[in-house]
Amino acid sequence: NAGVTQTPKFQVLKTGQSMTLQCAQDMNHEYMSWYRQDPGMGLRLIHYSVGAGITDQGEVPNGYNVSRSTTEDFPLRLLSAAPSQTSVYFCASSATPGTSGPTDTQYFGPGTRLTVL
Amino acid sequence: AQKITQTQPGMFVQEKEAVTLDCTYDTSDPSYGLFWYKQPSSGEMIFLIYQGSYDQQNATEGRYSLNFQKARKSANLVISASQLGDSAMYFCAMSLPLRGNNRLAFGKGNQVVVIP
Repeated sequence: NAGVTQTPKFQVLKTGQSMTLQCAQDMNHEYMSWYRQDPGMGLRLIHYSVGAGITDQGEVPNGYNVSRSTTEDFPLRLLSAAPSQTSVYFCASSATPGTSGPTDTQYFGPGTRLTVL
Repeated sequence: AQKITQTQPGMFVQEKEAVTLDCTYDTSDPSYGLFWYKQPSSGEMIFLIYQGSYDQQNATEGRYSLNFQKARKSANLVISASQLGDSAMYFCAMSLPLRGNNRLAFGKGNQVVVIP
């Protein structure tokens, strides 16, 4: 049971390039989400999904795209990278999508450190 | 919107001592979840403890306990018998499940350094 996995661990992009950050979980969790963490800040929600085929925007969605075709995978696409997207990106998943209980606990992947030049 | 406040400056703690990390939250929703995560220097986010707003008792997980004072809207984390491996950033977070999306709002974190 690998939990939540993310690839790559590190990535350097040039302004304007596009790329996809991969996220997968093997816990059959309904809920998946993407956060970004900037220096001195907590985490901010980019996009989330309450199940396969269902996605929605979080707090800072601009410049990012997501899809969820399977329960296991939730890739994050940067459409045209900008220096402001330099950050550490975390994917997380929880068994339930908000039911007022401990199964709402989100478990995080190891993170992807992205630098945009 | 929900708001989480963690205002303590960085803390130095003697090994084997207890440490309390403050967290206050602001919401008018009756149902919410409170979480604490640990982020060591290696960068991963590690779940520590959960408290539901309707839970009557304070949550405990090993050396971690959550001092939940609902009327004061505080959810302080207590780490007993500190170890060197407890040196990390600690984040308090809240979800509002009645809104149907399990999104977490995070505080800005508390830095803890355990000294031998």
